[in-house]
Amino acid sequence: DTAVSQTPKYLVTQMGNDKSIKCEQNLGHDTMYWYKQDSKKFLKIMFSYNNKELIINETVPNRFSPKSPDKAHLNLHINSLELGDSAVYFCASSQDRASSEQYFGPGTRLTVT
Amino acid sequence: AQSVTQLDSQVPVFEEAPVELRCNYSSSVSVYLFWYVQYPNQGLQLLLKYLSGSTLVKGINGFEAEFNKSQTSFHLRKPSVHISDTAEYFCAVSEGYSSASKIIFGSGTRLSIRP
Repeated sequence: DTAVSQTPKYLVTQMGNDKSIKCEQNLGHDTMYWYKQDSKKFLKIMFSYNNKELIINETVPNRFSPKSPDKAHLNLHINSLELGDSAVYFCASSQDRASSEQYFGPGTRLTVT
Repeated sequence: AQSVTQLDSQVPVFEEAPVELRCNYSSSVSVYLFWYVQYPNQGLQLLLKYLSGSTLVKGINGFEAEFNKSQTSFHLRKPSVHISDTAEYFCAVSEGYSSASKIIFGSGTRLSIRP
């Protein structure tokens, strides 16, 4: 059973397109996250939701919009994709907002051409 | 503000040799410390964590780390590595009991094992 799953695993698209990445966790956790890992493997948090409420919003272009329909899902929608958006995007979850132990999904490799 | 420094971007070692991956952090408050491992083309997996208590923390796959508050370090060690330990290792820090658990990751250390 996959604890944190993401779809798609790979996404190749052209500049200017709009795309979404989906994330689901079956751990019963309250808090979910999106991270971006660049080509140099640097990992940086983008957003965090706790029970569908946005609690962390780092300096991210407003082309990126997270959406949490319920606490088990956190999707990431990206408008007007740019070359610099190419990266691996990881979803993660934790028991609650105070819990520092996070469980990561397998990642979505986004390539913008 | 918190930060994490992994001093070595790459560490090559021979199989069955010991290894130490270095990590230093800075924070003005008490912290939680973590080591995550990322195998090729996979997500991150928690290797071990320090929350409180004993400063020597044992994790999975024979790894251990020691929290040293005076040196603000959390170095990862394994006495004898295996080919399967080839991966990227990330040290991470978060503020204990903060209102939102934001983890700050280091830049990673690539561990490559030579037969």
